[in-house]
Amino acid sequence: GAGVSQSPSNKVTEKGKDVELRCDPISGHTALYWYRQSLGQGLEFLIYFQGNSAPDKSGLPSDRFSAERTGGSVSTLTIQRTQQEDSAVYLCASSQHLSYEQYFGPGTRLTVT
Amino acid sequence: KQEVTQIPAALSVPEGENLVLNCSFTDSAIYNLQWFRQDPGKGLTSLLLIQSSQREQTSGRLNASLDKSSGRSTLYIAASQPGDSATYLCAVCPSGTYKYIFGTGTRLKVLA
Repeated sequence: GAGVSQSPSNKVTEKGKDVELRCDPISGHTALYWYRQSLGQGLEFLIYFQGNSAPDKSGLPSDRFSAERTGGSVSTLTIQRTQQEDSAVYLCASSQHLSYEQYFGPGTRLTVT
Repeated sequence: KQEVTQIPAALSVPEGENLVLNCSFTDSAIYNLQWFRQDPGKGLTSLLLIQSSQREQTSGRLNASLDKSSGRSTLYIAASQPGDSATYLCAVCPSGTYKYIFGTGTRLKVLA
């Protein structure tokens, strides 16, 4: 079956612009996760969803970051007023349930100029 | 605060060798631990997931063990192949939250 997909694969934006990153999880997976991987850094947890609900948003780096999930499926990560330090690869993963095996998408490489 | 450490940071071995990658974590209160591989420029591929009640999991040439009390997990790769070259990451899911914490990885190179 289809895996986790993310779009766009690459995004170049100017500092101060807003961007939206999309994640399509594996069909039927109730849990969805967003991570960020900066150059030379490890994976940084951002947020997780159980269904459409995000119980803990404390991993989001600032209030410029927000995420939503609709219909228990597609999720969008929005970054407002982008800064150069937001440049990173944003990875999405889904799992059948929370604490089950995670399956990752290929990521979106965001470059803020 | 949970911290995850992977040693060594990089490893280079000749083809055919058996090898062990290490992952240590500071808080034993976890739901599970998962091992991944990441190829350059790609996303992560799940290798093995060990629930907190389990001691080990096996898949093909891979065997992962978990010792919760000592805060350690090892990934054993038998008869390594050049195709095993990748970065290997471990991640723990702390109890009471699903905010996975990743180690910084071990970059493995298997020489033909």
